[in-house]
Amino acid sequence: NAGVTQTPKFRILKIGQSMTLQCTQDMNHNYMYWYRQDPGMGLKLIYYSVGAGITDKGEVPNGYNVSRSTTEDFPLRLELAAPSQTSVYFCASSSLQGDNGYTFGSGTRLTVV
Amino acid sequence: DQQVKQNSPSLSVQEGRISILNCDYTNSMFDYFLWYKKYPAEGPTFLISISSIKDKNEDGRFTVFLNKSAKHLSLHIVPSQPGDSAVYFCAAWGFSGSARQLTFGSGTQLTVLP
Repeated sequence: NAGVTQTPKFRILKIGQSMTLQCTQDMNHNYMYWYRQDPGMGLKLIYYSVGAGITDKGEVPNGYNVSRSTTEDFPLRLELAAPSQTSVYFCASSSLQGDNGYTFGSGTRLTVV
Repeated sequence: DQQVKQNSPSLSVQEGRISILNCDYTNSMFDYFLWYKKYPAEGPTFLISISSIKDKNEDGRFTVFLNKSAKHLSLHIVPSQPGDSAVYFCAAWGFSGSARQLTFGSGTQLTVLP
């Protein structure tokens, strides 16, 4: 049971480059989320999805895009990387009820130089 | 405007003693609360939860207390072990727009000293 899988684990980008952070879950969860965690800070919601074909902005969406073409996959796209996007990115999923909260992936550490 | 606050960024406790981690919230519509534990280079993992209709939930060495009137919850770890050293996040379920979401606190780094 893989849970939530994120790739890559680490990446260094140059300013202005673009990349896609991949996220896949095998639990048939409807809800999926992208968070970023900056040093010494909590988790800030970037985007979320309540089901295939439906996405919405979270607290800090600027500079990012998402898509949800299938229940399993929720990729996060950075179009023009900026140093302010240096962070650890976590993908998470949950069932509709979610009383145990989210299941998180292990994170992607991104550095923009 | 932080709706879930963890005012202590760090806490150090001796092995075998009690660890108490605190969390305050402002939104009275939150109906379920959770604690997550996070080790370095890993994603947060669910630890324990409590419904807003209860005031205590226990799971082994971990107990969560909820004081709704004070909008305060706490996590007690007894006895603390070195393996408990991690960042602990408090989180609360509630609606933001049309979607039910978790709102997270900023975390408390717990260090259990041998």
